[in-house]
Amino acid sequence: NAGVMQNPRHLVRRRGQEARLRCSPMKGHSHVYWYRQLPEEGLKFMVYLQKENIIDESGMPKERFSAEFPKEGPSILRIQQVVRGDSAAYFCASSADSGRFYEQYFGPGTRLTVT
Amino acid sequence: QKEVEQDPGPLSVPEGAIVSLNCTYSNSAFQYFMWYRQYSRKGPELLMYTYSSGNKEDGRFTAQVDKSSKYISLFIRDSQPSDSATYLCAMTTQTGANNLFFGTGTRLTVIP
Repeated sequence: NAGVMQNPRHLVRRRGQEARLRCSPMKGHSHVYWYRQLPEEGLKFMVYLQKENIIDESGMPKERFSAEFPKEGPSILRIQQVVRGDSAAYFCASSADSGRFYEQYFGPGTRLTVT
Repeated sequence: QKEVEQDPGPLSVPEGAIVSLNCTYSNSAFQYFMWYRQYSRKGPELLMYTYSSGNKEDGRFTAQVDKSSKYISLFIRDSQPSDSATYLCAMTTQTGANNLFFGTGTRLTVIP
């Protein structure tokens, strides 16, 4: 299966801990997007990355959240000192190139629960 | 005002019915319009995308875009129980921002 992979699928963290979410894009894709889905709300854009570069982080909260997409390995969304309001489903999407940015394919998501 | 509005439903139809799902939007710069299907506890699955105004058909699915009214639709013909899911509209501008703007989704149930 060459689809977008995310792990873990479920993550439980206590308030104040760190959460690390991983995303491997579809084979041949070099553009990665992270979205957050809160209950009863639509998907909200967080950050757009290419290999070793953050292209657009306009949707990312200014504090505690960071993202990277290293030359080797998966993209990582990191949330430091989690709070209950961070509980949500986090989805990663990938696209083949910047010309087809509208054709984004999503992974199964990581459901983060903060207790 | 949200940039993309979508009736959350829920919408229940009998098997075989024609389903109409709709979104409105406020940003006239949107040029690409997508429909995603999301099953419970799964990631969104891209169904179709359309550029600018017009219609696009793919099997039982037809997407329509009316830019003058800022209104998009997805029609599902001969609906099946397996079509039961949440349908999300998404859209984006032609250049610049690469992120998608999503509606909140319409939950559809097709009753056998």
